[in-house]
Amino acid sequence: KAGVTQTPRYLIKTRGQQVTLSCSPISGHRSVSWYQQTPGQGLQFLFEYFSETQRNKGNFPGRFSGRQFSNSRSEMNVSTLELGDSALYLCASSPLQYNEQFFGPGTRLTVL
Amino acid sequence: SQKIEQNSEALNIQEGKTATLTCNYTNYSPAYLQWYRQDPGRGPVFLLLIRENEKEKRKERLKVTFDTTLKQSLFHITASQPADSATYLCALWSGYALNFGKGTSLLVTP
Repeated sequence: KAGVTQTPRYLIKTRGQQVTLSCSPISGHRSVSWYQQTPGQGLQFLFEYFSETQRNKGNFPGRFSGRQFSNSRSEMNVSTLELGDSALYLCASSPLQYNEQFFGPGTRLTVL
Repeated sequence: SQKIEQNSEALNIQEGKTATLTCNYTNYSPAYLQWYRQDPGRGPVFLLLIRENEKEKRKERLKVTFDTTLKQSLFHITASQPADSATYLCALWSGYALNFGKGTSLLVTP
């Protein structure tokens, strides 16, 4: 089976812009979670989608949003980018919520 | 508040020795605990899951213990190799999210 894919791999944006990141989970996996990873805070949970519904959300401002499509592919959007949003954004899929997570390679976002 | 603590200092060991990494947690009542490996610039890779009723679990050169009384898990790599050099993360479900420790960096030198 193909692994989790994320596009783009690298992004450079300026403050105030918005960005959309994409994630394709492993075939058959219906749960997709998003994480932000920074050197200072480590891996932090953003949100989780299952069958097109957001089931859980982490402690992030409303500028961070996401959605899941009927084919389980997911997107996350960050509006009004801030310098502090610079991070590695990781997507992970799982057949069920409590199973091990299969991570993609991540999207490295740099906000200037 | 819930916390997952891993030794922030890098662990440097010689090839062939056993590496032992620690994960301590507070304010969790986990049914199970997971360990992941992360290489620079890449996503974490799942290694092992241990349930609360399991004291120990092994997979090839990896061994994990889980002590719910001490609220601690130990992760061992026996006969370590330079290819084992990476950051190792432990993770627990909070009830709605998989929360990760900040990881411990392991460097195995020849």
